[in-house]
Amino acid sequence: DTEVTQTPKHLVMGMTNKKSLKCEQHMGHRAMYWYKQKAKKPPELMFVYSYEKLSINESVPSRFSPECPNSSLLNLHLHALQPEDSALYLCASSQGAPEIRGNEQFFGPGTRLTVL
Amino acid sequence: ILNVEQSPQSLHVQEGDSTNFTCSFPSSNFYALHWYRWETAKSPEALFVMTLNGDEKKKGRISATLNTKEGYSYLYIKGSQPEDSATYLCASQYQKVTFGTGTKLQVIP
Repeated sequence: DTEVTQTPKHLVMGMTNKKSLKCEQHMGHRAMYWYKQKAKKPPELMFVYSYEKLSINESVPSRFSPECPNSSLLNLHLHALQPEDSALYLCASSQGAPEIRGNEQFFGPGTRLTVL
Repeated sequence: ILNVEQSPQSLHVQEGDSTNFTCSFPSSNFYALHWYRWETAKSPEALFVMTLNGDEKKKGRISATLNTKEGYSYLYIKGSQPEDSATYLCASQYQKVTFGTGTKLQVIP
């Protein structure tokens, strides 16, 4: 299995809702990533988990809360989001830690989030 | 160069034409340069990872070169086909990965 899967594909939520995005990989990768991409902008790194520990948090607002229950799963919990948080949320994984030179990342197809 | 920049933002080519686009990145603090191919509604797919100045990589009709001293990489597509239509993203890695905004390629049959 060489895929990174993400659910749901699309999510519409109100500003008072609580929802979660899920990401899964079964390639034995030890690092997992969340990116946010807005239209016509590059993907921006949000969080990195390396060996199930949060290793990078790019000053993301606390209304986004990542969780890594095990080495195969990565969640992003959403609470009290704003309309400007509407974006494509991409998950990726890599075999080794993010600082390893040339470390290739494998991406999921993303979750398209709309906040009303 | 402070950020990763790609040019052009988009281009249309006729089937059979060859084309190339550019990725510029900070030449200091450099580990690796990644190229991805991203079709609409699919996952970005890794094409190449290059680490050394002068590196050249090839996969079928697609090839890439790297100049770390001046901070640029070129991606070449020979004999473009409609299935090459996609957004091509480059990313510079130094501890973490920083993406460019991509070049959107449309190949017209």
